[in-house]
Amino acid sequence: DAGVIQSPRHEVTEMGQEVTLRCKPISGHNSLFWYRQTMMRGLELLIYFNNNVPIDDSGMPEDRFSAKMPNASFSTLKIQPSEPRDSAVYFCASSTRTGGHEQYFGPGTRLTVT
Amino acid sequence: AQKVTQAQTEISVVEKEDVTLDCVYETRDTTYYLFWYKQPPSGELVFLIRRNSFDEQNEISGRYSWNFQKSTSSFNFTITASQVVDSAVYFCALRGSEAAGNKLTFGGGTRVLVKP
Repeated sequence: DAGVIQSPRHEVTEMGQEVTLRCKPISGHNSLFWYRQTMMRGLELLIYFNNNVPIDDSGMPEDRFSAKMPNASFSTLKIQPSEPRDSAVYFCASSTRTGGHEQYFGPGTRLTVT
Repeated sequence: AQKVTQAQTEISVVEKEDVTLDCVYETRDTTYYLFWYKQPPSGELVFLIRRNSFDEQNEISGRYSWNFQKSTSSFNFTITASQVVDSAVYFCALRGSEAAGNKLTFGGGTRVLVKP
């Protein structure tokens, strides 16, 4: 089975530009999570969805960040406008809501904002 | 509030040595889950193990073993006879009860460097 798929794997953009990160969760998983990882702050949960509904977005840093999950197989994280401090690796993860709830992570998107 | 502490930021060993990674957690939930993840230099996060709060049996998987002790709120991870391929950052994580939401609280990670 395919794991969590993220695109693009690398993104370099200029400050002020809009950035859209994409995620396809594992088929059958009904929870989806967006994380950000930096050296300074480690792994931070930004937002998560259950059954396509946002449950907790308290980790979203600012209004510049938004996330959507229009269906069970696709989610986006958008940054508009981007700033250099947004440079990080963004991970998407998915899990079931039964059993152990372990999350399976995608390969991440390395974002660089210049 | 939930909290996971990995006091060791970096451990350096020589190949074939054993290495133990400490993880201490805090939670008010009576039902919870503990996890370990590995992040090799390539960057992906790989799920290693899950343990339920009501199952204190230790587990062994090849060279990996885990020691869960509720009395000390610890979930330690040992790599036996370490190999260079074990070099990675290892994260311990905690998930509380369903009522608390199904998000994970991660520790800060421990970087393991295995030298040949």
